Amino acid sequence: DTGVSQDPRHKITKRGQNVTFRCDPISEHNRLYWYRQTLGQGPEFLTYFQNEAQLEKSRLLSDRFSAERPKGSFSTLEIQRTEQGDSAMYLCASRSQGGGETQYFGPGTRLLVL
Amino acid sequence: LAKTTQPISMDSYEGQEVNITCSHNNIATNDYITWYQQFPSQGPRFIIQGYKTKVTNEVASLFIPADRKSSTLSLPRVSLSDTAVYYCLVGDIGNNDMRFGAGTRLTVKP
Repeated sequence: DTGVSQDPRHKITKRGQNVTFRCDPISEHNRLYWYRQTLGQGPEFLTYFQNEAQLEKSRLLSDRFSAERPKGSFSTLEIQRTEQGDSAMYLCASRSQGGGETQYFGPGTRLLVL
Repeated sequence: LAKTTQPISMDSYEGQEVNITCSHNNIATNDYITWYQQFPSQGPRFIIQGYKTKVTNEVASLFIPADRKSSTLSLPRVSLSDTAVYYCLVGDIGNNDMRFGAGTRLTVKP
């Protein structure tokens, strides 16, 4: 158990609906990351927070995606007007400040868009 | 970011030592080499990280030659529970944009 939790673990939705996922990082970690993983591929970086500031965003993060970390603790990832291509595992990871530390991943939220 | 190349899949038997090699010809001076393990429906789990020569922990060893253009993850005496996908990543320790490839799917047979 890495200590990063994600909710829900599974989500089935219809195309066009909005969905929101939550990530609770390891409590002392100030850095938080979101990734997307499709079947047979490795995780792809989406975005990164340091405390409450969103410092990096991938080109994969279209306008329909938004992520927040309002108090520098938990984070949410919202997908608006979902498309079938959004079906994937959404992974959250956290990391502490300083060199030598690696990212610790949560169990992921598996999204299926029908 | 340095590109990595790994075998797509490997098979082994319980009790054997497994070595997975990763090529990273364009590794930069500040880059570290990190390996993750991922089971189905779980997030990746950190295994080991190194910069040069050899690193060993309770799970694996990582061998890095002097030119650092490749690295080898060594898993001693694998068991069925080591069946997973193993990812090799190369990047600056402070880099926040980790690039995962497709990884190596290891299947351990009885």
